[in-house]
Amino acid sequence: GAGVSQSPSNKVTEKGKDVELRCDPISGHTALYWYRQSLGQGLEFLIYFQGNSAPDKSGLPSDRFSAERTGGSVSTLTIQRTQQEDSAVYLCASSLGGSGSGSRETQYFGPGTRLLVL
Amino acid sequence: GEDVEQSLFLSVREGDSSVINCTYTDSSSTYLYWYKQEPGAGLQLLTYIFSNMDMKQDQRLTVLLNKKDKHLSLRIADTQTGDSAIYFCAESGGGGSQGNLIFGKGTKLSVKP
Repeated sequence: GAGVSQSPSNKVTEKGKDVELRCDPISGHTALYWYRQSLGQGLEFLIYFQGNSAPDKSGLPSDRFSAERTGGSVSTLTIQRTQQEDSAVYLCASSLGGSGSGSRETQYFGPGTRLLVL
Repeated sequence: GEDVEQSLFLSVREGDSSVINCTYTDSSSTYLYWYKQEPGAGLQLLTYIFSNMDMKQDQRLTVLLNKKDKHLSLRIADTQTGDSAIYFCAESGGGGSQGNLIFGKGTKLSVKP
């Protein structure tokens, strides 16, 4: 079946512009995650959606970052007034959701969106 | 706070075994994961282990977990050039970080023919 897809695969923008990154999770997965991978760094958690619950936004680095998930499926990560330090690979993952077994918690990742802010 | 540590580089010869090590700090983690990232690609799940297990084997991969020392390792038998990639160790966030994974910075495995 189809995996997690993300678009665009690459995005080049000018400092100060807004960008929107899209994630389509695996069908039937109720949990969705956004991470950021900066050059030479590990993956940094940004935000987590689980079903209809309020999202866990504890990883968002500033109020320029926001995300929404419409209809419990597709998610959009928006970065306003982009800065050069926002340049990174933005990875989305999804899981079946819920707890109690590895198969429900296991996260499957998309290919990422490579963002370059000039 | 929660932290996951890995060595940054490992170089082996084709046909040898590779052992990638990881230490973590959150003793409440339920699952521990190994992901593989090839150049320009996303993360591919390799395997995971439940915290009450001490070993899991899957074909050429063997995961060892020492919960007392909070040490996790991934052994790749008969390493091939196609195994060259970055390997990430991750723990499931417990406590106040339910849901997200805590990743190490990744170990770059280079396999020489």
